[in-house]
Amino acid sequence: DQQVKQNSPSLSVQEGRISILNCDYTNSMFDYFLWYKKYPAEGPTFLISISSIKDKNEDGRFTVFLNKSAKHLSLHIVPSQPGDSAVYFCAATPYGNKLVFGAGTILRVKS
Amino acid sequence: NAGVMQNPRHLVRRRGQEARLRCSPMKGHSHVYWYRQLPEEGLKFMVYLQKENIIDESGMPKERFSAEFPKEGPSILRIQQVVRGDSAAYFCASSPPNDGAGNTIYFGEGSWLTVV
Repeated sequence: DQQVKQNSPSLSVQEGRISILNCDYTNSMFDYFLWYKKYPAEGPTFLISISSIKDKNEDGRFTVFLNKSAKHLSLHIVPSQPGDSAVYFCAATPYGNKLVFGAGTILRVKS
Repeated sequence: NAGVMQNPRHLVRRRGQEARLRCSPMKGHSHVYWYRQLPEEGLKFMVYLQKENIIDESGMPKERFSAEFPKEGPSILRIQQVVRGDSAAYFCASSPPNDGAGNTIYFGEGSWLTVV
């Protein structure tokens, strides 16, 4: 029962270009969405979030877009840097409840 | 990740032994979550606790696994009679009291359990 799907296992991007990571969800009860970044042997680090009352949230180089009708969200990283290379997890939750994670997308930023 | 403290970071147990993983939430956080990441997989929810209460344990295996978050002290994830399939990274996370809006959940560095 994959309620949160990240269909691209990996993505390779040139340094300085835009990275776009995608996420789809099926549960219409999800109202809050988060992106986490994870390096090997470390815990996930919170990046950015968005609530369902918004369609865009921006924080520095990171922007998350939410299309509620399509049950789709995306994370844009501009410009991409080699230090951005990591696994990115999309997560969703109804307010005040547990997070449901996607399987993750491995981002490689080439210099 | 700053603030959510997990220990031990690495734990090796023989089959049949018990494993205890500890988690101290961030200051001011009263909600604790445990997640497990098996090799080559994403993070799977296990249990959600508040002080002295289990709120949601729908992700916990029915046997051998238990969790607590006592009034005083850290949250403990306990695995009895470990088997090789329990080898995984166990992540604890915490969040502040739910105020009705979305709360960000912050993760610790994880505890890597290896069963030999």
